[in-house]
Amino acid sequence: GIQVEQSPPDLILQEGANSTLRCNFSDSVNNLQWFHQNPWGQLINLFYIPSGTKQNGRLSATTVATERYSLLYISSSQTTDSGVYFCAVGYYNQGGKLIFGQGTELSVKP
Amino acid sequence: EAGVAQSPRYKIIEKRQSVAFWCNPISGHATLYWYQQILGQGPKLLIQFQNNGVVDDSQLPKDRFSAERLKGVDSTLKIQPAKLEDSAVYLCASSLVGSGAYEQYFGPGTRLTVT
Repeated sequence: GIQVEQSPPDLILQEGANSTLRCNFSDSVNNLQWFHQNPWGQLINLFYIPSGTKQNGRLSATTVATERYSLLYISSSQTTDSGVYFCAVGYYNQGGKLIFGQGTELSVKP
Repeated sequence: EAGVAQSPRYKIIEKRQSVAFWCNPISGHATLYWYQQILGQGPKLLIQFQNNGVVDDSQLPKDRFSAERLKGVDSTLKIQPAKLEDSAVYLCASSLVGSGAYEQYFGPGTRLTVT
């Protein structure tokens, strides 16, 4: 079946450290989004990145569609980066819906 | 640009009661989605509308859940009667169109607790 797998499931960092989150998917995609879910439950859009590389401040993301994975990089982490990071994928034959991974829970310690 | 609006933000009901959630998408967005997020999991699609027509409701428990999007703008999701397992966050999202090739934006969600 259609899968979206994220790793690691949990991550604890000291403030200032760097991290890489991974998302593997199982078929060709026409949509891939990274979200940060804050402690209040709001899903914040980080990147819309079905292919290629994008950067936004301390965050960057790369999707290699031919190899069916995406990476989210967080540099110089801050305590406000804590929360759950979701990768969500839209497949060509699944209409417009997003299929979410289980998330990576990040905790940044001061 | 205003984001996706949802209300209420929180709701506590007893099992077998009914509840309704409201969503107003980003202006101009033709496609509206309702997702259910159970604690500890990623959101899962319940229903997708394109304008005021249903595109995908394959995961909607139709014996108790209903949704409508009259006039192709705002939408309501209803649960009647509620069960304990319906406790979750209900997220509304919208996109320009629903081909999958457009970014989806989410509202703040409604946290439902069924006791």
